[in-house]
Amino acid sequence: EIVMTQSPATLSVSPGERATLSCRASQSVSSNLAWYQQTPGQAPRLLIYGVSTRATGIPARFSGSGSRTEFTLTISSLQSEDFAVYYCQQYNNWPSFGQGTRLEIK
Amino acid sequence: EVQLVESGGGLVQPGGSLRLSCAASGFTFSNYAMSWVRRAPGKGLEWVSAISAGGAGSQFADSVQGRFTISRDNSKNTLDLQMNSLRVEDTAVYYCARPVVTATLSYAFDIWGQGTMVTVSS
Repeated sequence: EIVMTQSPATLSVSPGERATLSCRASQSVSSNLAWYQQTPGQAPRLLIYGVSTRATGIPARFSGSGSRTEFTLTISSLQSEDFAVYYCQQYNNWPSFGQGTRLEIK
Repeated sequence: EVQLVESGGGLVQPGGSLRLSCAASGFTFSNYAMSWVRRAPGKGLEWVSAISAGGAGSQFADSVQGRFTISRDNSKNTLDLQMNSLRVEDTAVYYCARPVVTATLSYAFDIWGQGTMVTVSS
């Protein structure tokens, strides 16, 4: 099983500022890495797949980067609706998710 | 509109059984492998099971192997998860999810249902 580790667990950022979330895989997942956003009571929403491809309808302020075992989700200028929990997921093997990063308003 | 709608959740005692269903619409269901993903209270997402587009192949997380089965009816556009020998730790919101691309068991998921809550408690 590939273990995904996200950091930090909680990130406090002011609206309009940049947020950088990290995700590490216990072994290489090549480019098979996705990011999701989840708000309370809602289903997860796919943001990024293939490390850096934005899903349909996702704003350009969301971007992904990285390779093999180290990945980053960057939100360039935080909007109020961006404060949520974010998960990374690998699909190089059977899917596994990180434990999540809670992005909160500073 | 592309849509997934889960049903069948509820309260069940430890050791009991429950069957979840997911109704798909707005896309060619038979072209896609499908998965179940769950989120336990206060915890993160956990992939549970996947089934191939035709239904011949399936895979399960170690945590549910031997207790859960997955099936689909492509004539009715439905996906099911039969959960037996339920444990307290199976308590979660269960989502059905569709991958971005067809014909692969493991990928990113772009379409999710709203989820159905399963509570295992005495």
